Amino acid sequence: DTGVSQDPRHKITKRGQNVTFRCDPISEHNRLYWYRQTLGQGPEFLTYFQNEAQLEKSRLLSDRFSAERPKGSFSTLEIQRTEQGDSAMYLCASSGLSGRALYNEQFFGPGTRLTVL
Amino acid sequence: SQQGEEDPQALSIQEGENATMNCSYKTSINNLQWYRQNSGRGLVHLILIRSNEREKHSGRLRVTLDTSKKSSSLLITASRAADTASYFCATDAGAAGNKLTFGGGTRVLVKP
Repeated sequence: DTGVSQDPRHKITKRGQNVTFRCDPISEHNRLYWYRQTLGQGPEFLTYFQNEAQLEKSRLLSDRFSAERPKGSFSTLEIQRTEQGDSAMYLCASSGLSGRALYNEQFFGPGTRLTVL
Repeated sequence: SQQGEEDPQALSIQEGENATMNCSYKTSINNLQWYRQNSGRGLVHLILIRSNEREKHSGRLRVTLDTSKKSSSLLITASRAADTASYFCATDAGAAGNKLTFGGGTRVLVKP
């Protein structure tokens, strides 16, 4: 399967613990995005990478959140000192520049559902 | 914050009927995309319409875009039970690596 994969699919943790999620994008895609989705809402942008460079972070991404994409391939999203309000689905997406570089489709992974108790 | 507002929030139809949902947004865009999400799963890309396009078709899907009204519609014809899902519009304003700004979604139930 050459789609976007995420690991783990589900994570249950206690408040105050640290968690790390992984995203493997489609291999030829140079852009990678993280979104967060709470129940009954649409996804909200968190951050994105072009290759290994993190080029924008949303105000939603507090200093407890950090994301990396060390070699421009897979990415990790870490949440330190988790809070109950962090409970959500964390979605990763990737996209690739094409000849029509202004118009790009993002392909989403299955998400990691985080529950903070 | 979410740019798009979808209408209706929920829709219940019989199999074979058409389903129409609308999306309004606030700022100028490069393109608008529609996604489907089955319960608790990731998003599946359905169709992308560019700002200079007015209508686009893909199988049983028809999308329109009116940039003067900042609105789009998604029509699913001859619906099937498998079309039961949440549908989201997402706008790409061409900023920040083409990040998407999503609406709140329309929850569609197709009854067999």
